[in-house]
Amino acid sequence: DAGVIQSPRHEVTEMGQEVTLRCKPISGHDYLFWYRQTMMRGLELLIYFNNNVPIDDSGMPEDRFSAKMPNASFSTLKIQPSEPRDSAVYFCASSPRDRGPNTGELFFGEGSRLTVL
Amino acid sequence: QKEVEQNSGPLSVPEGAIASLNCTYSDRVSQSFFWYRQYSGKSPELIMSIYSNGDKEDGRFTAQLNKASQYVSLLIRDSQPSDSATYLCAGTGGFKTIFGAGTRLFVKA
Repeated sequence: DAGVIQSPRHEVTEMGQEVTLRCKPISGHDYLFWYRQTMMRGLELLIYFNNNVPIDDSGMPEDRFSAKMPNASFSTLKIQPSEPRDSAVYFCASSPRDRGPNTGELFFGEGSRLTVL
Repeated sequence: QKEVEQNSGPLSVPEGAIASLNCTYSDRVSQSFFWYRQYSGKSPELIMSIYSNGDKEDGRFTAQLNKASQYVSLLIRDSQPSDSATYLCAGTGGFKTIFGAGTRLFVKA
């Protein structure tokens, strides 16, 4: 299996610009998670989906952040407008149905490193 | 209290020694527990999971869970330089997996 695929791997943008991060989960996985990692705050859960439906978005920091999952093989995380404090590594992870959130067994993509100048 | 707490380290051990990593958790994280390893610039990867009190061994790794004390640990026997990484403790609760800040481990050759 190809694993979780994220793009872009690196993004450098200027404050105020729109940023879109993309994720393709492992085929057959029913759960998809977006995490953000910084030195100060560690790995934070932003939102997760089950069968393409957003279940918990309480970790999304502000209205500037939005996430969608239009089908089982694709999800996006959008930041509009971006700010320097959004600079972080954004990870997408997926999990199969029989090893869902309660089991904590997540398969991570390689991450998208975002720098907002 | 943070949901999952770890000492950020760094923890330095000589090659061949036992590395002991510790983690405590709050009532909001009380179902299942995990240790992930993250090499610098890479993504986290699951190395151990533990669901009930006691010890669980897998090769050189042993996870220990004490629910009464809300304490989870990871022992790495015969530590190797390749074990040098950040180790993230994680727990689940409310259908979420919550991570600690991670402990940096250095194994000196």
